[in-house]
Amino acid sequence: AAGVIQSPRHLIKEKRETATLKCYPIPRHDTVYWYQQGPGQDPQFLISFYEKMQSDKGSIPDRFSAQQFSDYHSELNMSSLELGDSALYFCASSILPGLAGEVDGTDTQYFGPGTRLTVL
Amino acid sequence: GQNIDQPTEMTATEGAIVQINCTYQTSGFNGLFWYQQHAGEAPTFLSYNVLDGLEEKGRFSSFLSRSKGYSYLLLKELQMKDSASYLCAVRDKDSGNTPLVFGKGTRLSVIA
Repeated sequence: AAGVIQSPRHLIKEKRETATLKCYPIPRHDTVYWYQQGPGQDPQFLISFYEKMQSDKGSIPDRFSAQQFSDYHSELNMSSLELGDSALYFCASSILPGLAGEVDGTDTQYFGPGTRLTVL
Repeated sequence: GQNIDQPTEMTATEGAIVQINCTYQTSGFNGLFWYQQHAGEAPTFLSYNVLDGLEEKGRFSSFLSRSKGYSYLLLKELQMKDSASYLCAVRDKDSGNTPLVFGKGTRLSVIA
């Protein structure tokens, strides 16, 4: 079965540079979530989109922005990178229960493999 | 605020049974999820509970008591490959497709 795709898988940037992370959700999934996971930490929610509109906002810094496009893929744009931004960035996707194509009717979030961002 | 507690580390023997507990205090509740995560990899969905009781999926079972704010994940017939972190996560808003709040994870080591 198709899974969530993220690119790039690894990214190395210098301080104050910008980065763009991409996420391609499972086909027919309508909601995309972004999470940040620092070393030894639990995933922290950043932002989510439902049907191309922002639906929830978590601890996303003002230096970051995100959007979901007409083909449902999403991009996380990060500017003025800081050392503390070094982390794993996961994208997850889900589909509302009751809609065609749902996997199990529970709106379960399925995670992509992540992008490991290292800021030097 | 949101608070999800689970033990930091556990060790169990290959072939044995282990129970990982999770307690939560959240402003809302619309389901509790368990994920497995190997180091540096993505969380992988294991189980979901929204009603009280036990859900069984092969070697894995998960239990929920909403009145107690408590869940556990039960792993049977432990294998070495089960060594991983196990994350308890709660959907704290009373609707679907909302973010998850994660616990800090329990690192399980399975020894021979």
